Amino acid sequence: DAGVTQSPTHLIKTRGQQVTLRCSPKSGHDTVSWYQQALGQGPQFIFQYYEEEERQRGNFPDRFSGHQFPNYSSELNVNALLLGDSALYLCASSLTRARNQPQHFGDGTRLSIL
Amino acid sequence: GQQLNQSPQSMFIQEGEDVSMNCTSSSIFNTWLWYKQDPGEGPVLLIALYKAGELTSNGRLTAQFGITRKDSFLNISASIPSDVGIYFCAGRTSGTYKYIFGTGTRLKVLA
Repeated sequence: DAGVTQSPTHLIKTRGQQVTLRCSPKSGHDTVSWYQQALGQGPQFIFQYYEEEERQRGNFPDRFSGHQFPNYSSELNVNALLLGDSALYLCASSLTRARNQPQHFGDGTRLSIL
Repeated sequence: GQQLNQSPQSMFIQEGEDVSMNCTSSSIFNTWLWYKQDPGEGPVLLIALYKAGELTSNGRLTAQFGITRKDSFLNISASIPSDVGIYFCAGRTSGTYKYIFGTGTRLKVLA
């Protein structure tokens, strides 16, 4: 039973560049959420995708955008990168159709901005 | 960003001791989740709670959904060295899809 997989594991970019992170949900899951985790802090909700639509968004600027594909996988795009975007980006998947199903996380993508 | 209050922030304990930590919110939640995160890895789900007063165990771990629905507790019995890590609570209010995470409790076990 494949868990949540994310790629790449590490990425180094410079200010002003753009980045795309990828996530494949746990087998059987249909919903993907993205979180940003700064060093020493808990994860912060960016947005959630369900049925290829952004269902809810956290307090992040429009530079952060996403997409969900028909196979439920998802991408997170960040434009005009800032130094403050350096963080661990976590993807979590869950099953909306079933009641009381918790979310499960991947191991994240460590993004460093120089 | 918004984070829940978790305490203690960190703790050193002896192997074999019991551990208690808690998480509080100013909002009423309908779901509480507890995760453990090791360095370089994503959070791993430990226990999920869905009803006020609910008490759920997973091996040596026991978590409770507070009666007020504004808090949750996690207990670890007879700690072992592999319990080292950061424990996060996460809560969700009715009608939303996002989870709000706590500030984390860093646990260190002395053999």
